Amino acid sequence: QKEVEQNSGPLSVPEGAIASLNCTYSDRGSQSFFWYRQYSGKSPELIMSIYSNGDKEDGRFTAQLNKASQYVSLLIRDSQPSDSATYLCAVNLIIQGAQKLVFGQGTRLTINP
Amino acid sequence: EAGVVQSPRYKIIEKKQPVAFWCNPISGHNTLYWYLQNLGQGPELLIRYENEEAVDDSQLPKDRFSAERLKGVDSTLKIQPAELGDSAVYLCASSLGLKGIRETQYFGPGTRLLVL
Repeated sequence: QKEVEQNSGPLSVPEGAIASLNCTYSDRGSQSFFWYRQYSGKSPELIMSIYSNGDKEDGRFTAQLNKASQYVSLLIRDSQPSDSATYLCAVNLIIQGAQKLVFGQGTRLTINP
Repeated sequence: EAGVVQSPRYKIIEKKQPVAFWCNPISGHNTLYWYLQNLGQGPELLIRYENEEAVDDSQLPKDRFSAERLKGVDSTLKIQPAELGDSAVYLCASSLGLKGIRETQYFGPGTRLLVL
């Protein structure tokens, strides 16, 4: 099992709809979770971080964390074509005693006008 | 505030040649990271520095890769000799180095390496 898993997609969503991106992780002790957006040919850009169970909202973005089920999700409301990108889930894991940010492979999202 | 700066942005070399990448972190960020990102994959950590000390280099292929962070600011990542499989994007990131769970990493634009 990979430490952080995402569906690689592509995920295709019509403009104006809700895009739902999911991520599962292996370490039950993880405490911090991040969503990065990466446009093609660009570097990852942090869009959300979440540390407690429940929902965290920031504009059109909502991050959801369920530590018991070891999953974190990102919802994008009123999806726009500019949201088309790869979304990377990153989880702080303890590996061999050291804290390390581990990324999933990313989900490629396409918003169709 | 300036972000993480990397150079060069693109590099094309022949196999067996050496190559070096440079990174300047965000001012005041004590922790610096080098990541490797292959096409269609997420970034993978190569090495992490806290100030000038390499505290995690377990994923750095030490037979051909080396890194340094003199004076705890700028860093250089070197490959010698380069192999075809080294073609990838090399990302530098930095963070404040507070060691809490809210430690956030910020990425530079990356160096896209193509080995022919």
